[in-house]
Amino acid sequence: SSELTQDPAVSVALGQTVRITCQGDSLRSYYASWYQQKPGQAPVLVIYGKNNRPSGIPDRFSGSSSGNTASLTITGAQAEDEADYYCNSRDSSLGVFGGGTKLTVL
Amino acid sequence: QVQLQESGPGLVKPSGTLSLTCAVSGGSISSSNWWSWVRQPPGKGLEWIGEIYHSGSTNYNPSLKSRVTISVDKSKNQFSLKLSSVTAADTAVYYCARDLGDYGPRKTYYYMDVWGKGTTVTVSS
Repeated sequence: SSELTQDPAVSVALGQTVRITCQGDSLRSYYASWYQQKPGQAPVLVIYGKNNRPSGIPDRFSGSSSGNTASLTITGAQAEDEADYYCNSRDSSLGVFGGGTKLTVL
Repeated sequence: QVQLQESGPGLVKPSGTLSLTCAVSGGSISSSNWWSWVRQPPGKGLEWIGEIYHSGSTNYNPSLKSRVTISVDKSKNQFSLKLSSVTAADTAVYYCARDLGDYGPRKTYYYMDVWGKGTTVTVSS
């Protein structure tokens, strides 16, 4: 079965830049999408495709891809960015999520 | 804009069948995209359950495929999830989502841009 691997936890100082990564063989064929989830809330799409942001998502969020790794970068992290982040992609037309990364803003 | 709302029993007995419905408003179930189900057990990550196209084509998570059925009701503008032979491990928040896809540059991509608020299902006697 396909797998997407994320670091369980990452921390960043307020105002600094942080990169959250997602690794998996399927990422060689598909771009990842990224979701932010705060406690008790539904996930929110923050990045999709090569580097597309839905309306309303701050431009401090960006995405990139190289080989089997997709990255979500937050440039100038804010307190409200503290959340769980999940990557999602496809493998043989089937959906798969990464295990999630808990981002702490210090 | 499109909104999604999950509904269904919050409590299901072990070995029973979990049944949920996702109502689509502000748009048509027959639009050119997939409609997905995702779940999240307490304190754990997201799990993709499966998806359906308005034509009735489906894709399922291999780990759940033997127990899952996703269907669409165009007349009611909604789609549904049935999960049979449930156990405590199926206790989770269940979300429905709109799943779009596109291509370029050089790769295909899918993304879930609209989500329901989620509904909690507990499997317990």
